[in-house]
Amino acid sequence: NAGVTQTPKFRVLKTGQSMTLLCAQDMNHEYMYWYRQDPGMGLRLIHYSVGEGTTAKGEVPDGYNVSRLKKQNFLLGLESAAPSQTSVYFCASKKGLAGWYNEQFFGPGTRLTVL
Amino acid sequence: GDSVTQMEGPVTLSEEAFLTINCTYTATGYPSLFWYVQYPGEGLQLLLKATKADDKGSNKGFEATYRKETTSFHLEKGSVQVSDSAVYFCALSITQGGSEKLVFGKGTKLTVNP
Repeated sequence: NAGVTQTPKFRVLKTGQSMTLLCAQDMNHEYMYWYRQDPGMGLRLIHYSVGEGTTAKGEVPDGYNVSRLKKQNFLLGLESAAPSQTSVYFCASKKGLAGWYNEQFFGPGTRLTVL
Repeated sequence: GDSVTQMEGPVTLSEEAFLTINCTYTATGYPSLFWYVQYPGEGLQLLLKATKADDKGSNKGFEATYRKETTSFHLEKGSVQVSDSAVYFCALSITQGGSEKLVFGKGTKLTVNP
């Protein structure tokens, strides 16, 4: 199993450009998450999904959109990138909420710089 | 609101020293508690977890006990190694009415010198 993979690993954008980050998991997990990690801020939840076809807002959703058309994929979109979106983005997934299913598996991250 | 506070870093120790990273939480319900570790250039990995009061999570020599009375989940290891150098995150998960709230601490960077 590849686990959780993220594409791309690095990206540089100019202000106003758009892009999509792809997260894929091969563990048949229901729940998927997008976080951003900034120095001194820990991880902050952007959006999440509790199953195919569902999405919900997290702590810092503004400027981002997401889609979960297939169970294994969770896409994060930036329609008009801003320098404040320079960050490292992590995707995570987990099987469920109860007991030992409640463990998130993280991808390796995408480092995004917006100039 | 729900929150996690962990000790500020960075923490620098010598090999074989004792490690404690403090974590306290505020929660409206009954959270599950986690410690995640992030090695340089990688994503986070679950280190250990506890789902109810007095549970002790343990893994790779690390331990943490869910203390409801002090709302704490401190991470400890008796003898650290250079390979333990990483950033450690305390986190909580609360499920209410079918929805979930996840909160991470800001992370504590640990450096272990030979």
